[in-house]
Amino acid sequence: NAGVTQTPKFQVLKTGQSMTLQCAQDMNHNSMYWYRQDPGMGLRLIYYSASEGTTDKGEVPNGYNVSRLNKREFSLRLESAAPSQTSVYFCASSERGGSPNSYNEQFFGPGTRLTVL
Amino acid sequence: RKEVEQDPGPFNVPEGATVAFNCTYSNSASQSFFWYRQDCRKEPKLLMSVYSSGNEDGRFTAQLNRASQYISLLIRDSKLSDSATYLCVVTSLTGGFKTIFGAGTRLFVKA
Repeated sequence: NAGVTQTPKFQVLKTGQSMTLQCAQDMNHNSMYWYRQDPGMGLRLIYYSASEGTTDKGEVPNGYNVSRLNKREFSLRLESAAPSQTSVYFCASSERGGSPNSYNEQFFGPGTRLTVL
Repeated sequence: RKEVEQDPGPFNVPEGATVAFNCTYSNSASQSFFWYRQDCRKEPKLLMSVYSSGNEDGRFTAQLNRASQYISLLIRDSKLSDSATYLCVVTSLTGGFKTIFGAGTRLFVKA
């Protein structure tokens, strides 16, 4: 049982390049999330998927797109990377977002450290 | 004003000390409350949920004050291994499902 996995762990891009961050969970969770974490800012929600087949914008969606490929996988795409997107990206999943405490616990992947030059 | 605010610290305490963190939230309709722990360069992990009646897990006690809109975390008998960043997390359904993370409070426990 691997929990939440993310690839790659590290990535360096040049401005304007594109890339996709991959995330998968094996806990049969319904909800999945993408966050970015910057110093002093805390985790900020980029996009989330409450259930398979649905995606919604979070707090900072500009410059990103997502795909909920199936129940297990939720990818994040940067179409044209900018230096402002240098950050640590975390994927997370929960049994069911928006529900009582026991279903809201989010399990996080190890993160992807992205640098855009 | 941020939706969830925490004292960034750092808190520097000796082993065995008792330390308390507070977190305030602005949305009175917030539903669920949590404390997460994040070690340096690692992912956040759930430490404990926070219930209206308060809850305790070993050396850790979490409390919620809905009237004043804050939650607290108390750590007794601090250990070196408690050194980490503690994140306050609040969820709500206002305007759609939202999970807001505080920026975290750093704790250093020294021998």
